[in-house]
Amino acid sequence: TQLLEQSPQFLSIQEGENLTVYCNSSSVFSSLQWYRQEPGEGPVLLVTVVTGGEVKKLKRLTFQFGDARKDSSLHITAAQPGDTGLYLCAAWWNSGYALNFGKGTSLLVTP
Amino acid sequence: GAVVSQHPSRVICKSGTSVKIECRSLDFQATTMFWYRQFPKQSLMLMATSNEGSKATYEQGVEKDKFLINHASLTLSTLTVTSAHPEDSSFYICSATKDRAAEAFFGQGTRLTVV
Repeated sequence: TQLLEQSPQFLSIQEGENLTVYCNSSSVFSSLQWYRQEPGEGPVLLVTVVTGGEVKKLKRLTFQFGDARKDSSLHITAAQPGDTGLYLCAAWWNSGYALNFGKGTSLLVTP
Repeated sequence: GAVVSQHPSRVICKSGTSVKIECRSLDFQATTMFWYRQFPKQSLMLMATSNEGSKATYEQGVEKDKFLINHASLTLSTLTVTSAHPEDSSFYICSATKDRAAEAFFGQGTRLTVV
């Protein structure tokens, strides 16, 4: 059972474009995390959102946690080739004993 | 942030042999470590959760006897792929946390190729 649904699964855009990645679930989370992974490496944490409706910004990346704490989005403004990678949302399950990931969004930004 | 070191980064082994992958938390004590498996262009699939000094909790569909996990200390967990077959070839990643539901720190991953 896929607990976290991510969309789109693949995204290929040109430098300078904007994009949004979505992470949805039928469950309510106390917090949700976004990671970025490059090929052959482990994921790196970008942000943790905790409060319903919360918006966090990390340079050109804007993260939002849904009011009901069931979903989240990642918006990238003016994408650059360096943004290329696999973006993963993740949430703690089983009262914090397991960290599960969504299917991921593979982003390719071409010059 | 905290550092998690995974070794080896790449390993090639013959079918039928066993391979051990180590995951170490270098500058903190990890109460819990997690092992994931990742196929190309796919997400991380949780294999098991291990707590120091106790048996690992395996996710449904993961063979306990094939993927042996040992969490002998607060800074070291190992994953042994026993009697490896080509279908076990994959990218294996570990992560560690200081506390339950706290930030997870990931190792660099191990690319296993079984020939």
